[in-house]
Amino acid sequence: GAVVSQHPSRVICKSGTSVKIECRSLDFQATTMFWYRQFPKQSLMLMATSNEGSKATYEQGVEKDKFLINHASLTLSTLTVTSAHPEDSSFYICSARGGRDGTDTQYFGPGTRLTVL
Amino acid sequence: QKEVEQNSGPLSVPEGAIASLNCTYSDRGSQSFFWYRQYSGKSPELIMFIYSNGDKEDGRFTAQLNKASQYVSLLIRDSQPSDSATYLCAVYSWGKLQFGAGTQVVVTP
Repeated sequence: GAVVSQHPSRVICKSGTSVKIECRSLDFQATTMFWYRQFPKQSLMLMATSNEGSKATYEQGVEKDKFLINHASLTLSTLTVTSAHPEDSSFYICSARGGRDGTDTQYFGPGTRLTVL
Repeated sequence: QKEVEQNSGPLSVPEGAIASLNCTYSDRGSQSFFWYRQYSGKSPELIMFIYSNGDKEDGRFTAQLNKASQYVSLLIRDSQPSDSATYLCAVYSWGKLQFGAGTQVVVTP
């Protein structure tokens, strides 16, 4: 398999602040990383696809100015939730595509639980 | 029509029995198929992937793929309480992984 880390695992912030979440592929290079959001008892929702060195592709309905994604290297992608509000409270999960199991296989990070007060 | 469909469950399985999970998909051109397990409050973890028609076994898990019928299934043999989780079927389609809503499995002692 392959290992993907995320930091922080949990964050609590005040409304109006910005929060940055890091996603790293630890033992493989990931040209593509994905950001998902999951609300309680709901399925994964893809927010955006992040390709190294290029602009992220956002899913319909996801505000690109609110959820800033940067994929500066083959092992690191970041998601910044700008001016967070309580409705942004959710479980944010990244995944990285690649590794020894083939280019289509995605490995997930452990997730970041964001709570906006 | 959703890209990937699964029964939401819960699927109740006695300990030691076989759990059978099914998944259908709409994109006939899909070539890669995945099963993930997600425990409550945790992120998905890859169980196995399958690319070719037929069966693929990995320990207590067997994935079955039938591209003509557009379905993929997962069998869990000798189910254990630790197998209680939500199982996500995922299909690589249109450049991204399409997930089903997941089937909740509850293994009862």
